[in-house]
Amino acid sequence: AQSVTQPDIHITVSEGASLELRCNYSYGATPYLFWYVQSPGQGLQLLLKYFSGDTLVQGIKGFEAEFKRSQSSFNLRKPSVHWSDAAEYFCAVGALAAGNKLTFGGGTRVLVKP
Amino acid sequence: DTGVSQDPRHKITKRGQNVTFRCDPISEHNRLYWYRQTLGQGPEFLTYFQNEAQLEKSRLLSDRFSAERPKGSFSTLEIQRTEQGDSAMYLCASSVGRGQGAPETQYFGPGTRLLVL
Repeated sequence: AQSVTQPDIHITVSEGASLELRCNYSYGATPYLFWYVQSPGQGLQLLLKYFSGDTLVQGIKGFEAEFKRSQSSFNLRKPSVHWSDAAEYFCAVGALAAGNKLTFGGGTRVLVKP
Repeated sequence: DTGVSQDPRHKITKRGQNVTFRCDPISEHNRLYWYRQTLGQGPEFLTYFQNEAQLEKSRLLSDRFSAERPKGSFSTLEIQRTEQGDSAMYLCASSVGRGQGAPETQYFGPGTRLLVL
């Protein structure tokens, strides 16, 4: 069975500073990976995804993520954080052998200081 | 493309009552998923449909839970005899399934937040 770990429960970052959110997954075959963002009381918005090919993927709102198979990681980055980036971020892994259902990590809450 | 919609957005009920939630997927999306998210946690898979067929149910989905997608369009999730532990956000997602061996992207609705008193 697949699993996802997001080691950081909370991260506080100053506006304009860079941000990196960690995600480690466990899955026996080739995974496909997602990052979603959730504002309070809202649903999940897709930031970016990795299916295959180039291991550095670009997403919306200036986010990017890098798939590293050797480290079973899919970390999310943004060079300069805006106050509107304060939210909860979820990494998820999908598995073709598991009916395409997604397995999510526990999330990382990002707070942005002015 | 109006996105996935869910109704109601909030529901407060008393323990023992039945509740029903509705999800309208993105049009022409043949797959529909239900997830549950408790406070401070990531979403957990409950069940999914391909067209009108329910293909998988999680063991989280007790006998009190039932889901339908009668015409392969909208779906309903019913919880009978609600318990306080059912309090959570119920999220619906839809996707275009292109068959085995093809990954897909799930798009989520705004969720229905349930509070059982």
